[in-house]
Amino acid sequence: QQQVKQSPQSLIVQKGGISIINCAYENTAFDYFPWYQQFPGKGPALLIAIRPDVSEKKEGRFTISFNKSAKQFSLHIMDSQPGDSATYFCAASRETSGSRLTFGEGTQLTVNP
Amino acid sequence: EAGVTQSPTHLIKTRGQQATLRCSPISGHTSVYWYQQALGLGLQFLLWYDEGEERNRGNFPPRFSGRQFPNYSSELNVNALELEDSALYLCASSLIVVLAGGYTFGSGTRLTVV
Repeated sequence: QQQVKQSPQSLIVQKGGISIINCAYENTAFDYFPWYQQFPGKGPALLIAIRPDVSEKKEGRFTISFNKSAKQFSLHIMDSQPGDSATYFCAASRETSGSRLTFGEGTQLTVNP
Repeated sequence: EAGVTQSPTHLIKTRGQQATLRCSPISGHTSVYWYQQALGLGLQFLLWYDEGEERNRGNFPPRFSGRQFPNYSSELNVNALELEDSALYLCASSLIVVLAGGYTFGSGTRLTVV
């Protein structure tokens, strides 16, 4: 019940296109859903996060869509750029008490010029 | 403000040896988390420390252990190293209640067991 499943494993998009990464979770106690971006040789960095009281959150070109009934959430990257090429991880946790994050398996995004 | 710092950046050990990895959290953060990122396996939760106490532990054998010091820095020890322990070990810190910022990760220690 602690799993977070992420797809696709890898994604190739042309510059200017939309990148979409999907995640599904099982534990209904999860109440915090962040996305992390990781470049080679670096640790993951928080990109954007959402809580289940909203269905969508947008920050610049990055949007999280959240479907509580389906227990799914997704990351949309609009106008994808070569600099967005990285590995993206979705995660989930119970926000209170500093609970640990459960991560998806990661998606390697390549944006071709 | 300094971020999460980890040392060393790279570590090469022989099978059967012990490895010690260190982490300094962001100033004011009391919680430290350790994750293992093996190739192709995503991030696997290892340990969570807060206020010097181990709060939670992932599904790893007892030879993975650690501690948190009074200044909130932390140490991860891996005893009796095995080849499959080769991975990037990431440390993250947070306030005890993660309200908005989520975790902040360091750049990791790349452990290679030969």
